[in-house]
Amino acid sequence: ELKVEQNPLFLSMQEGKNYTIYCNYSTTSDRLYWYRQDPGKSLESLFVLLSNGAVKQEGRLMASLDTKARLSTLHITAAVHDLSATYFCAVVRIQGAQKLVFGQGTRLTINP
Amino acid sequence: DAGITQSPRHKVTETGTPVTLRCHQTENHRYMYWYRQDPGHGLRLIHYSYGVKDTDKGEVSDGYSVSRSKTEDFLLTLESATSSQTSVYFCAISEIGQSYEQYFGPGTRLTVT
Repeated sequence: ELKVEQNPLFLSMQEGKNYTIYCNYSTTSDRLYWYRQDPGKSLESLFVLLSNGAVKQEGRLMASLDTKARLSTLHITAAVHDLSATYFCAVVRIQGAQKLVFGQGTRLTINP
Repeated sequence: DAGITQSPRHKVTETGTPVTLRCHQTENHRYMYWYRQDPGHGLRLIHYSYGVKDTDKGEVSDGYSVSRSKTEDFLLTLESATSSQTSVYFCAISEIGQSYEQYFGPGTRLTVT
C-alpha cells in the first residue's frame, strides 16, 4: 500500500528565511505533484515532477524529486507572507488511472 | 483555470437522507475523480471514472456511489448520509498525456447533522 508522509505538518517561519518541506513515499513511483491550498479554497497545481532528478522552480519555490530515495523536497527561499498556505505532495499509485495518494499537508505560516 | 464546477457549493443535510453532488467539466477530459478532505488526512480518493459509464472505487468508497452518463458530468451520491461523511468534497479532472496533471474544482462543503 502506497503511503505518503510529509514533514513537518506545521511550519511557522519568519519572512526572509529559507526552509524545506519533505515528502517521503513508500513504494516505487516516478511521478510526483505539489499543490498549494489557501484556506477555504481549492488546490492549485504548483509542480509536476516526472523523473528522477527532476527540479522545477517558480519564484521562491523549488521542488525536486529523488525516486531512488523516494523523496521529494519543496524548498522555500527568502519566504514572504504571500507564501502562507497549506502545501500537499501527491504520488501516483497506479499509472493509467492516475490514482493519486496525498500527503497530510504542511501548513506554512510566514510571519513578518 | 480548468473549467470545473461543482454543485451545490454548500449543503447541510440530516442523517439518513440521500445526497447527490455534481461535478461538471467543460474540458472534455477523460478522467474524473471525487476526493474528500478532512483535517489530518489530506485528500482521499472516493471514486474515479476513466470514461463514460466506466468507474472504479478509491480508498474510501464505502457509503458512496457514482455515475457518469456523459463525459462532462460525474455525480457522487451518498445513499444515506451519516455524520462521518461531513467533509469537503473535491472533484478533479485529468487527461491522457505526459503529466496526467489533475485539476481541481472549487469544492463542496457538506455537513450532515
